[in-house]
Amino acid sequence: DSGVTQTPKHLITATGQRVTLRCSPRSGDLSVYWYQQSLDQGLQFLIQYYNGEERAKGNILERFSAQQFPDLHSELNLSSLELGDSALYFCASSPGQNEKLFFGSGTQLSVL
Amino acid sequence: GQSLEQPSEVTAVEGAIVQINCTYQTSGFYGLSWYQQHDGGAPTFLSYNALDGLEETGRFSSFLSRSDSYGYLLLQELQMKDSASYFCAVREGSSNYQLIWGAGTKLIIKP
Repeated sequence: DSGVTQTPKHLITATGQRVTLRCSPRSGDLSVYWYQQSLDQGLQFLIQYYNGEERAKGNILERFSAQQFPDLHSELNLSSLELGDSALYFCASSPGQNEKLFFGSGTQLSVL
Repeated sequence: GQSLEQPSEVTAVEGAIVQINCTYQTSGFYGLSWYQQHDGGAPTFLSYNALDGLEETGRFSSFLSRSDSYGYLLLQELQMKDSASYFCAVREGSSNYQLIWGAGTKLIIKP
């Protein structure tokens, strides 16, 4: 158990809909990262927050947004969903800046 | 541009030794990490090399040569449970110590 909690584990929705993925980092970790992994693909970095502020952006679509709350949990919002958004979405946390990431078990999103 | 190269697939026999290579081209370099991911599972951290040389953790070792922009993960006494994908990632400094990820190496172990 990495100590990072992601909910829900599975999500099935339709095209055009909006969903919210939730992540609670390990106790004490200030950085939260979101990654997308399509079937048999690598890890695509989406966005990072550090202590409530956006720290870095990767290949995140404009339809996607995220935030980190004062209690350090984070949410990833995906809107106007398309079939191609179906993927495994991981949240990870670290004490600082990318030296060692702890990944949650992921949210499997299926857009039908 | 920034890139990491690692083989897409490696096959080895149970009990043997296997080496997964990673070459990188990045703007700035702070360290090379390795992560393991089983099918359907989450990536888990294996090692982080910031300095040249070999670091050993049980059956796994990781090596870094900064002058050659090269590193490898060495797995000894292979077990069937080592069948997984292995990702290398460079912590680079041009954009806030971000991680640049390789595409992953699928390790297939045969009995």
